Formats: sequence, structure tokens, C-alpha cells
Amino acid sequence: GAVVSQHPSWVICKSGTSVKIECRSLDFQATTMFWYRQFPKQSLMLMATSNEGSKATYEQGVEKDKFLINHASLTLSTLTVTSAHPEDSSFYICSASWQGTYEQYFGPGTRLTVT
Amino acid sequence: RKEVEQDPGPFNVPEGATVAFNCTYSNSASQSFFWYRQDCRKEPKLLMSVYSSGNEDGRFTAQLNRASQYISLLIRDSKLSDSATYLCVAGGGGAQKLVFGQGTRLTINP
Repeated sequence: GAVVSQHPSWVICKSGTSVKIECRSLDFQATTMFWYRQFPKQSLMLMATSNEGSKATYEQGVEKDKFLINHASLTLSTLTVTSAHPEDSSFYICSASWQGTYEQYFGPGTRLTVT
Repeated sequence: RKEVEQDPGPFNVPEGATVAFNCTYSNSASQSFFWYRQDCRKEPKLLMSVYSSGNEDGRFTAQLNRASQYISLLIRDSKLSDSATYLCVAGGGGAQKLVFGQGTRLTINP
């Protein structure tokens, strides 16, 4: 199956700092990448959808100026959590897909802890 | 009302038992349906797609009833390794988005 990597797998940062998470599709060209957030004992919540070369589409309630998404190539998307606060601590998961399909392949996730 | 609803469980069953999960979705425009499996502190992994005609993959059988907007997953002869959270997922309504149910936690006991 398709392989998606994420880096870092976990990060601890201080409140007020910014954190960048990378998502890469390793063996296919991902026309669309998705960013999710998952809090403990809850399901995945879609944050935004990004298509290569265009601006991300954010879900209602997700601050686009706080969660910066860049999808500069068909194999790389980045999520930057700016001015992180403890309430941003969560499991961030990306997924990748190609045009015309609903199947998504997930990265291993990044566990963010803001102290 | 959530767009995809599942019984959160938890389900605790003995090894070898048959387990059934149910799921309903509210968006009639949904076109694609999946079951994902998520292990603790890991990413979701695609278990199987769900088709109107029903489909089977080894011990796993998935069914879709579009008229009732209902999806099911049956696991036969359950193994200890089947312990996980099972996520019911609906796609459609544009933009390739998937909507996840809250998941059903399953524990298989020896």
C-alpha cells in the first residue's frame, strides 16, 4: 500500500513557540493531503484539506492563521502550529490521497505536547 | 447529531467469538464507506472498503444499506490481535473528505 511518513513523531515545546510538522508521501504523488487532530479518547477531526500548489481549505472553527499549512509539492505538506499553547497539545495526523479517490493513507502521527 | 455515529463500546469478548459493529451516517450524499482500525496511540489503518453488495475479507465482512444509511462490520473467530478501535468512515459530499465516527473499542480476551 501507499506509504506516508510524518516527522517528528513526537515533540515537546514551550508555550508561545511554533512547531512545524512534515508529512511526506513516499511512493506516490499526493494531489491532496489532509491534516487531522485527535484528542484522547476522541475520533479524528479534520482540520484542513490541502491541494498541491493552492491554499488549504480549513474546517469551521480551525484558525488558519494559527495552523499554517503549506503543500508545495506532490510529496510534501507541512503544518505549522504557531504560538502553541497547552490546549494545542494533541495527536496530529496527516493523510494523503490522489485525485478521484476517497481512500486516504495515513502518516504515523505526531504527538505534540505544549508545556 | 453527528454525521457518522457508532456505538463507542467498549466491547469485551472472548477469543473466538463473533463481533458485530454498527454504524449510521446522516449525509445521504456520502458515496464511499470504509472501516478503519486504530491501535492505541497509532494512526488509523484501512481495514476494508464497504460496498452495497457486501464484501468479505477473510474473517471480516462489511455490509452497506444505503436505504437505511447503515453500515456494519462482522468479525468472525476473533483473535487477540483484533483488539483495537474500529472506525466507521464515510466519504463524499465533495473535496474527497472523510468523516470519522467516534470509534468502537474492542478488546478480545484470552
